[in-house]
Amino acid sequence: SYVLTQPPSVSVAPGETATITCGGNKIASRGVHWYQQRPGQAPVLVVHNDSDRPSGTPERFSGSNSGDTATLTINRVEAGDEADYYCQVWDSSSDFLAFGGGTKLTVL
Amino acid sequence: QVQLQESGPGLVKPSETLSLTCTVSGGSISPYYWSWIRQPPGKGLEWIGNIYYIGKTNYNPSLRSRVSISVDTSKNQFSLKLTSVTAADTAVYYCARVPIIHDAFDIWGQGTMVNVSA
Repeated sequence: SYVLTQPPSVSVAPGETATITCGGNKIASRGVHWYQQRPGQAPVLVVHNDSDRPSGTPERFSGSNSGDTATLTINRVEAGDEADYYCQVWDSSSDFLAFGGGTKLTVL
Repeated sequence: QVQLQESGPGLVKPSETLSLTCTVSGGSISPYYWSWIRQPPGKGLEWIGNIYYIGKTNYNPSLRSRVSISVDTSKNQFSLKLTSVTAADTAVYYCARVPIIHDAFDIWGQGTMVNVSA
């Protein structure tokens, strides 16, 4: 199975930039999706296919994917961005779906 | 707008079968893929499996021997069965939609908590 590695936690002050990474072997060859999960709520898609934003996702959220690391960047972080963030890919060769372990974003 | 709603027992005894249904409202179950995902308390997300609206399935290898997903297009529903449950199967269970194979989960249900306990 394909393993995705995320840092357990990231902390940032309001107005600063948060960077959340997702590591995987040759992850750049796969489309990476990112979800935001606030406490007690279902996950919400914020970025798909590496860098596409669904309607409703603020432009402050962006994604990139290169080599063995995909990155979710949140500019001008707000208190409401405090949540858990998960990356996800499909391993099309085995039709297996993997989630990263999640990163808790704390806004200081 | 499309909404998903999970339903089923909130308490299941060890060794019994967990059964959940996801009802799709505001849209059709075809021609999409549909998934079950779970989240144990305080832990991360785990993919359980998918079903295409015509009935083709694929499952997480770690659960494959115990899991079955089916679809009922006439009722706009799909269902999950997980056999021989243990306390490790206690989790919030989510259903979700995948608009195109290998794309993201664009719509999620609110989730339903299932406790496995005697």
